[in-house]
Amino acid sequence: AQKITQTQPGMFVQEKEAVTLDCTYDTSDQSYGLFWYKQPSSGEMIFLIYQGSYDEQNATEGRYSLNFQKARKSANLVISASQLGDSAMYFCAMRGGGYNKLIFGAGTRLAVHP
Amino acid sequence: DAGITQSPRHKVTETGTPVTLRCHQTENHRYMYWYRQDPGHGLRLIHYSYGVKDTDKGEVSDGYSVSRSKTEDFLLTLESATSSQTSVYFCAISEGGNNQPQHFGDGTRLSIL
Repeated sequence: AQKITQTQPGMFVQEKEAVTLDCTYDTSDQSYGLFWYKQPSSGEMIFLIYQGSYDEQNATEGRYSLNFQKARKSANLVISASQLGDSAMYFCAMRGGGYNKLIFGAGTRLAVHP
Repeated sequence: DAGITQSPRHKVTETGTPVTLRCHQTENHRYMYWYRQDPGHGLRLIHYSYGVKDTDKGEVSDGYSVSRSKTEDFLLTLESATSSQTSVYFCAISEGGNNQPQHFGDGTRLSIL
């Protein structure tokens, strides 16, 4: 069965520092995709970054990068130079089971302190 | 922003009553999804649709039904609401393609007393 595990219920980081949010996954598929979403306190789900299983380079989108280690089945999100507006819930998700369905982890709540 | 509208945004109802949530998209995307979000569980898939009148069950489909009579509308129905269905419900859409993310509506907060 496919599964996403986020082991950090909560994290905090000082403003302007980098932070890594962990995500491990389990799948027997050879082709899959990994996504990160941000959910601020206002509740909307915001897509951040995508990594395909066949992508040789780690994905980057501005201050977000994905540390993809395929052999370890991990897809950690790295946020560089944290800002107060980064305080939110972050979800890791994996495409699986066809029809672009997503399986989500339980999420990590990040607090950025000034 | 992806054109996704969920209605209502908030609803309070009583156990045993029927409830219908609507998701409307203006993107003409093929795939639509309904999720529920509960503390400690992330988002869990209830039902999804891969075309007009083509729907299938997700991980937590018991007690829910869906319909999609037009590309733009995906309805989620709780035939007889129970307190365990109190949750935040999200609709999402996707145009397909391996690297295409799902885009989400703003959610519906449903409370069943």
